Amino acid sequence: AQSVAQPEDQVNVAEGNPLTVKCTYSVSGNPYLFWYVQYPNRGLQFLLKYITGDNLVKGSYGFEAEFNKSQTSFHLKKPSALVSDSALYFCAVRDDQAGTALIFGKGTTLSVSS
Amino acid sequence: ETGVTQSPTHLIKTRGQQVTLRCSSQSGHNTVSWYQQALGQGPQFIFQYYREEENGRGNFPPRFSGLQFPNYSSELNVNALELDDSALYLCASSSTGTRYNEQFFGPGTRLTVL
Repeated sequence: AQSVAQPEDQVNVAEGNPLTVKCTYSVSGNPYLFWYVQYPNRGLQFLLKYITGDNLVKGSYGFEAEFNKSQTSFHLKKPSALVSDSALYFCAVRDDQAGTALIFGKGTTLSVSS
Repeated sequence: ETGVTQSPTHLIKTRGQQVTLRCSSQSGHNTVSWYQQALGQGPQFIFQYYREEENGRGNFPPRFSGLQFPNYSSELNVNALELDDSALYLCASSSTGTRYNEQFFGPGTRLTVL
């Protein structure tokens, strides 16, 4: 069965510092990986995806993610955090057994302090 | 903001009642997926509809049912509500133009079962 894991419930960084939100995955075939962000009382917003190609994927709002096949990881990164980046971040993998549905991790709360 | 809308925003029901949630997909999208997000958890896939047919289903009982209409809007129906059905219900639309398109989420419907 396919799954993703987000090992950290919360990540705290100071504004201006680089941030990393971790995600590892388990799939039986090719991984199709996504990152979404959720602000309070809002739906999920798409940040970026990895389908194939370059291991470094660039997305919205200055975020990027590094795909590492040997470590089965897909960590979300940003060179310089903003207070407005504070939100709940979800890693997801496409579920090949259910159309194009997504399997989500439990989420990581990012808190950026000024 | 995505072009996905959901109604109502909030809903309070009692155990045993039935509820219908509605979703309008983003223009040009022909696939709708529904997810349940319990408090403190990642979204869990309920089912997906493509061209008015169910195209995949997660691990939810039959009392969770759905419809998709010719204009690609969708309904989620839940019968015999239980306390554990209290959650944020998210609708997501996507295009099957390629198999790897990201899903665009609506703001959700917050269901409280008393």
